[in-house]
Parts: sequence; structure tokens; C-alpha cells
Amino acid sequence: DIQMTQSPSSLSASVGDRVTITCQASQDISNYLNWYQQKPGKAPKLLIYDASNLETGVPSRFSGSGSGTDFTFTISSLQPEDIATYYCQQYDNLPYPFGQGTRLEIK
Amino acid sequence: QVQLQESGPGLVKPSETLSLTCAVSGYSISSGYYWGWIRQPPGKGLEWIGSIYHSGSTYYNPSLKSRVTISVDTSKNQFSLKLSSVTAADTAVYYCARQPNFDYWGQGTLVTVSS
Repeated sequence: DIQMTQSPSSLSASVGDRVTITCQASQDISNYLNWYQQKPGKAPKLLIYDASNLETGVPSRFSGSGSGTDFTFTISSLQPEDIATYYCQQYDNLPYPFGQGTRLEIK
Repeated sequence: QVQLQESGPGLVKPSETLSLTCAVSGYSISSGYYWGWIRQPPGKGLEWIGSIYHSGSTYYNPSLKSRVTISVDTSKNQFSLKLSSVTAADTAVYYCARQPNFDYWGQGTLVTVSS
């Protein structure tokens, strides 16, 4: 099975900071990678699909890059409403594993 | 606007079968896409369970395959999950979602396995 290694597991940053989360696949997944935001008690929300495409309605401060095995998710200027847990997920091969999640907090 | 809504018992006894339904509105399942189930144990990460196409074609997480059945009812525009022989480890919030991009999700339903 493909393994997804997401880091860091938690992150504390200040409003306005640039925040970066990485996700590494154990084998080549091309660009079949999504990024989600999940707030407590809510379903995950798709932010980025196909590694770098911004989902409709998602603020442009969110972005994604990468292909193959190494991927990056960036928030260019952290806002208070961005406090959440973020997950990557590959959908190239079963069983479509998610990363372990990154809990983002305000410093 | 596509909307998904999970429904089913919130409490299931150990060794019994968990059954959930996902009703889809704003989009006809027969028009395409795969439709999937994902779960999240309390305080933990997300696990994909399996998916179904309107034709009935399915694929499952190998770790759960022996216990999972996903079916579709296009006349009701809904799809269902059955997970047999449940244990406490199956306690989780269960979500349904539209694949492949998981762009639309239900709000989730907590299922607790306990006697």
C-alpha cells in the first residue's frame, strides 16, 4: 500500500505568517493528491485538488504544489479562521490513504 | 448545490452489522461519479472505506473488504454502507462523499459500538 507521510503533526504560527505543510508519498502518485481543511465537529473541506488546483470558492491564500512523491501545501498569510486540522490524501491507488493530519494553531 | 446526508442508528452492538444510508440531493447519482464512505474514529485521522458507481461497481479498502458491502439505489438517489461483525474499533464518525475529488461531503454521523 502507498503510505502518506505528512509533517509536521502540529504547527503554531502567528496571524500573517506563511505556513507550509508537506506530504510525502511512498511511491509516485503523479498529481493525484488533495488537501483538506477540517474544523472541529465538521466534515473535511476540499481546498486543493490534483495537487495544485484551487477548489472553487477557496481563498487564494491557499495553494498547493508538487508531483510524484513530494507535495507542499501553503497558506500565504495565516488568518484566524484558518485554525483547523489539514490533511493530504492520495487518490491514485487504493486504499486512498490520508496523511496523519497537521493541527494548526495560532501563536 | 450538491448535498449529502447520512442516516442510520447511532448505536450498534458488538458483532452486529452497522448500516448507514447516504441520501444525495442536487445531483443524480445516475449521472456519474463514484460515491464513497469515509470514517474517522474520535480524535483520530480519516480512513477511506469504499466506493460505488451508479452501475453498482464497487471497490473497497482491503483492510475492511471482508466486512464491507456498499450498495446503490438510483431510484431513491442514495447509497448505503453495511459493515458486519463490528467491534469497538469501528466506533467513528462516518461520512459519505462524492469521488474522485471528495468535493462534497455529508455532515457525518457518529456510530458507537457498545453493548
